[in-house]
Amino acid sequence: QVQLVQSGGDVKKPGASVKVSCKASGYTFANYGVSWVRQAPGQGLEWVGWISPFRGNTNYAQKVQGRVAMTTDTSTSTAYMELWSLRSDDTAVYYCARVKGIVVESNDYWGQGTLVTVSS
Amino acid sequence: QSVLTQPPSASGTPGQRVTLSCSGSSSNIGGNTVNWYQQLPGTAPKLLIYTNNQRPSGVPDRFSGSKSGTSASLAISGLQSEDEADYYCAAWDDSLNGVVFGGGTKLTVL
Repeated sequence: QVQLVQSGGDVKKPGASVKVSCKASGYTFANYGVSWVRQAPGQGLEWVGWISPFRGNTNYAQKVQGRVAMTTDTSTSTAYMELWSLRSDDTAVYYCARVKGIVVESNDYWGQGTLVTVSS
Repeated sequence: QSVLTQPPSASGTPGQRVTLSCSGSSSNIGGNTVNWYQQLPGTAPKLLIYTNNQRPSGVPDRFSGSKSGTSASLAISGLQSEDEADYYCAAWDDSLNGVVFGGGTKLTVL
């Protein structure tokens, strides 16, 4: 069965960086894109970006452009999202999700979420 | 302020049919497909509807989606207590070159 397992939560100080991992299993990792979506406490969903493991091309939300990098390791079927110059409003649960087909906004399997807390 | 507009709350009684709305513009819903997600408390979102009106396997046919112009709707018939959740619409936005979500609708089953 398809599973996405994310790394554990983290607490960072403002200005620091964080790297969240997302290990996939149960499907051919290279054949499906990976989206990252975040959710601030008590708030709605916000798209962060996506990556194609096959080609390595990425697309990031304007809000985080220049502070985020998404990568994949096809040998371990793992996707990574690194965010730097952290601010308090980056505090959120970060989800990775598999892209269904070629439609980036259709995500059919999700990880359990990783809470990133930015606090001094 | 979300790019897609959803009413913050909705409610219904068991067995009732409820419709949730999602309003956008020509750069998102008007020119691209709409997806709907259900998020139960404390859990990750779940894909409910993709490409406007398609249900992934395992999603009951009580859930249906539609799109007209720059708006979309999610209908839930035969409302059940386990349908109490947050519902989000999502679409690609050509102007922003990214995915946009609605602010979400909290559905309460009375």
